[in-house]
Amino acid sequence: DIQMTQSPSTLSASVGDRVTITCRASQSISSWLAWYQQKPGKAPKLLIYHASTLENGVPSRFSGSGSGTEFTLTISSLQPDDFATYYCQQYNAYSRTFGQGTKVEIK
Amino acid sequence: EVQLVESGGGLVQPGGSLRLSCAGSGFTISSNSMNWVRQAPGKGLEWVSFITSSSSTIYYADSVKGRFTISRDNARNSLYLQMNSLRAEDTAVYYCARDPVGPEDAFDIWGQGTMVTVSS
Repeated sequence: DIQMTQSPSTLSASVGDRVTITCRASQSISSWLAWYQQKPGKAPKLLIYHASTLENGVPSRFSGSGSGTEFTLTISSLQPDDFATYYCQQYNAYSRTFGQGTKVEIK
Repeated sequence: EVQLVESGGGLVQPGGSLRLSCAGSGFTISSNSMNWVRQAPGKGLEWVSFITSSSSTIYYADSVKGRFTISRDNARNSLYLQMNSLRAEDTAVYYCARDPVGPEDAFDIWGQGTMVTVSS
């Protein structure tokens, strides 16, 4: 199975900060990677698919990059609504593995 | 509004069974592959199972293989997860999630989740 490793596990940041989360795959997944945002008690929400394509309605401060085994999610200017947990997910192989999550906290 | 609504969760004893349902609303699920994903309390997301639109291809996570069965009834616009031989470690919120039509398989629509608690 393909393993997905996110870093950091927790990130403390302030409103207006530029934030970057990294996701590494244990083998190449081309660009078959998605990013999700989850808030407490809510279902995950798709932010980005195919590594860098923004889902409809997602603010442009979110961006994704990478291919192969290394990927990043960047929030260009953190907003109060962005404090949440973020997950990457590969869909290259039949088992759609998620990363362990990165919690973005208020500094 | 396009949405998925899960039901069927609850408290069950170890070794017991439970059947979860997921109903599509505002769209017909017959065109979409579908998934179940779970999240144990305070933990991350774990993909559980996948089924194609025609039920011709089905996959399971190793952690549930042989105990869980995914199925669908396109006429009822519904997805199901039959869970047998339940263990304490199956305790989680269970979400159904949609694959969009086309080559991209990121999960674009999620249900609100249904809680399953396995405990004596």
